Amino acid sequence: EVQLLESGGDLVQPGGSLRLSCAASGFTFNSYAMSWVRQAPGRGLDWVSSITDDGGDTWHADSVKGHFTISRDNSKNTLYLQMGSLTAADTAIYYCVKGNTRSRPYYFDSWGQGALVTVSS
Amino acid sequence: EIVLTQSPGTLSLSPGERATLSCRASQSVSSSYLAWYQQKPGQAPRLLIYGASSRAAGIPDRFSGSGSGTDFTLTISRLEPEDFAVYYCQHYGDSRTFGQGTKVEIK
Repeated sequence: EVQLLESGGDLVQPGGSLRLSCAASGFTFNSYAMSWVRQAPGRGLDWVSSITDDGGDTWHADSVKGHFTISRDNSKNTLYLQMGSLTAADTAIYYCVKGNTRSRPYYFDSWGQGALVTVSS
Repeated sequence: EIVLTQSPGTLSLSPGERATLSCRASQSVSSSYLAWYQQKPGQAPRLLIYGASSRAAGIPDRFSGSGSGTDFTLTISRLEPEDFAVYYCQHYGDSRTFGQGTKVEIK
């Protein structure tokens, strides 16, 4: 069974930084692309970032480009999202999501339960 | 950038009724790259449909997807109590865009 367990969500001040982690199990982690999708309170789903199976290619939404970085450590079966220059607009639940294949295009076939990031003074 | 517009925003129906949800793209998209997800309150989304019409593993056959070009539809043939939720379409091509969602609520 695929399991994706996010951690690192917290309350952070505007302008601050945070790193989310996602521990994956139940599948061959280094064979699948991974992504982060976020959901602001009471709002819809918003794709954030994606990374290929080997970490060689990454993509970020325009809204986070330059201040978020997705990465992975296949030796630890872990996905990361380094977030910087945070603003209130980044307040959301961040979901770790597994793709159905190695690289894009891919749909999101498994989702973690999410990590809450709150940006507030 | 492809924009997906879902309609209606809210659908009020009774258990046993048929639900028809629409997802319209701002430009023609490959039907190979259209997915539908279900999200219940307090839960993570769940994949229902990929490739516009293929059901994901474990999804009941009362859920079906159709469409091509710019117009796609998710149909729930007979609503069960557990189907009342929010549904999102997504184009998982270059943009990975989501629609804004359709809430299916109990009438």
